[in-house]
Amino acid sequence: ETGVTQSPTHLIKTRGQQVTLRCSSQSGHNTVSWYQQALGQGPQFIFQYYREEENGRGNFPPRFSGLQFPNYSSELNVNALELDDSALYLCASSFNMWSEQFFGPGTRLTVL
Amino acid sequence: EDQVTQSPEALRLQEGESSSLNCSYTVSGLRGLFWYRQDPGKGPEFLFTLYSAGEEKEKERLKATLTKKESFLHITAPKPEDSATYLCAVQATAGNNRKLIWGLGTSLAVNP
Repeated sequence: ETGVTQSPTHLIKTRGQQVTLRCSSQSGHNTVSWYQQALGQGPQFIFQYYREEENGRGNFPPRFSGLQFPNYSSELNVNALELDDSALYLCASSFNMWSEQFFGPGTRLTVL
Repeated sequence: EDQVTQSPEALRLQEGESSSLNCSYTVSGLRGLFWYRQDPGKGPEFLFTLYSAGEEKEKERLKATLTKKESFLHITAPKPEDSATYLCAVQATAGNNRKLIWGLGTSLAVNP
């Protein structure tokens, strides 16, 4: 059974640029959640996708957007990058929207 | 407002010295409480889900318990490889919001 994978592992961007992060969910999981984690903080919920539909959103501006594909993999897009967007971005998949979430290794984004 | 508080923020133990981590929560109807372990720079690793007061789960040296207001993660005879940040998250039943609400974590260091 393949776990949750994320790409890329690390990314360096400059302020104002756009970035796309990718996530492949665990086999059999139809729900993907995205989180932002700053150093020393708990994960902050960005949004969740269930069967290709957005199914809940945290307090993040519209420049954070996402997509889920028919194979349940997902993308997180961030436009107009700001310095404060520097963080570890985590993707988690789950069997359904209520069950325990299994996390990928994360993407470390640095905005200069 | 739904909230999760973990204590202590940091804990240093000698190998073999048992202790407990606390997760206090305020939520409008608990659907589930989740414990995760996170190593530096990596995604959280799922440990346990607890659903109702009185429930207990065990895995190797770890045991999680749940009351109506808090959860404890008991670590028995810890080893250096148990060093990590332990995160607690809750999921509420109220409303249409299925997001996990996270604590800031307890950073555990086990000295040999």
